[in-house]
Amino acid sequence: ETGVTQTPRHLVMGMTNKKSLKCEQHLGHNAMYWYKQSAKKPLELMFVYNFKEQTENNSVPSRFSPECPNSSHLFLHLHTLQPEDSALYLCASSQVGALFSGNTIYFGEGSWLTVV
Amino acid sequence: AQKITQTQPGMFVQEKEAVTLDCTYDTSDPSYGLFWYKQPSSGEMIFLIYQGSYDQQNATEGRYSLNFQKARKSANLVISASQLGDSAMYFCAMREGSDKIIFGKGTRLHILP
Repeated sequence: ETGVTQTPRHLVMGMTNKKSLKCEQHLGHNAMYWYKQSAKKPLELMFVYNFKEQTENNSVPSRFSPECPNSSHLFLHLHTLQPEDSALYLCASSQVGALFSGNTIYFGEGSWLTVV
Repeated sequence: AQKITQTQPGMFVQEKEAVTLDCTYDTSDPSYGLFWYKQPSSGEMIFLIYQGSYDQQNATEGRYSLNFQKARKSANLVISASQLGDSAMYFCAMREGSDKIIFGKGTRLHILP
């Protein structure tokens, strides 16, 4: 059982829909991440939240809107997506600030998104 | 510029043989961490092993070991006695700074019976 849970696991949405992906971590970590993984590109870092503050926005289009209400929850709000946004979206968490403690990044099982 | 390079897009290995997956990295930061993850077809990313830049010894976790050559900036993953269940994508990753982790393009490993 993973310490990072993502819902839904699978989502099919139309280009005019509004939906959200949810991520929750039970590991007591202080940083959370959204990654995008598509068939044609390597794993791409989208957003990083450190102590609920966004510290990284990797040139992500505004149709993806992250929200981090607290250090345990992270959302990715989706609106007016394109078919090329179809991908696996992975949420992750880690404990930052202690680089040499083997503080790895733990992933959820991912949300498979299909935009039709 | 690519910071994590995995030069093997795919590999085929006979079951029970050892396999080495290559990873080179580029950073000017003296403090960094290196990771390997396994991703089966289900999509989940499974943490395998970690190596800190100041660690004196190579990391080992069961059948996994990390061949860390700092001067060459390489962090190859070695899997001993491969099993059919090892067939998956394998990603090398690096932590720079406090919270940013970047990944290589991955190597797809196929274990043959």
